[in-house]
Amino acid sequence: QVQLVQSGAEVKKPGASVKVSCKASGYTFTSYDINWVRQATGQGLEWMGWMNPNSGNTAYAQKFQGRVTITRNTSISTSYMELSSLRSEDTAVYYCARVSGAYGPWGQGTLVTVSS
Amino acid sequence: DIQMTQSPSSLSASVGDRVTITCRASQGIRNDLGWYQQKPGKAPKRLIYAASSLQSGVPSRFSGSGSGTEFTLTISSLQPEDFATYYCLQHNRSPYTFGQGTKLEIK
Repeated sequence: QVQLVQSGAEVKKPGASVKVSCKASGYTFTSYDINWVRQATGQGLEWMGWMNPNSGNTAYAQKFQGRVTITRNTSISTSYMELSSLRSEDTAVYYCARVSGAYGPWGQGTLVTVSS
Repeated sequence: DIQMTQSPSSLSASVGDRVTITCRASQGIRNDLGWYQQKPGKAPKRLIYAASSLQSGVPSRFSGSGSGTEFTLTISSLQPEDFATYYCLQHNRSPYTFGQGTKLEIK
């Protein structure tokens, strides 16, 4: 079935970087955009950015410009989201998701905790 | 950026009630809108795509309508498992934007 499976929880210190992976299966990885979304505890959903896995083109929310990088490895159908210069406010669950097309799977979420 | 104004922010209703949630876009987004349901501790689940298409496997009591700037999600007869938080998402133009969410609670 069409699914996205993410890497496990991370604990990072302020100022560090984190890289979360999202492995796609059940469909042609390069045919659909991958989005990254985050959610702090008790808060709403926040769109971070998007990547076209075929071209590698990306777009990021202004809030994260300069700190977020979305990449992919098409040979293993995997997208990556790297967030740098972490601060406590970046503690959240991070999701990858397809938002267009007849299937709209989300990954299970990856908790990133930023704490000294 | 396109702003998505979702209302109401919270709603109390009873099993069997008909419920409507609205999202208004600050500019036209054609039908590039999805509706999502999220339960505590779980990833969001898409209910509706392309504004009015029912996601496979989602009960037919859920429906979506609208195009351009005004969109609605309707639940025709609330079931106990429908009490959750609902979000709209526009994916017409980057940056994509979510509504603020509607928390649907049991009356």
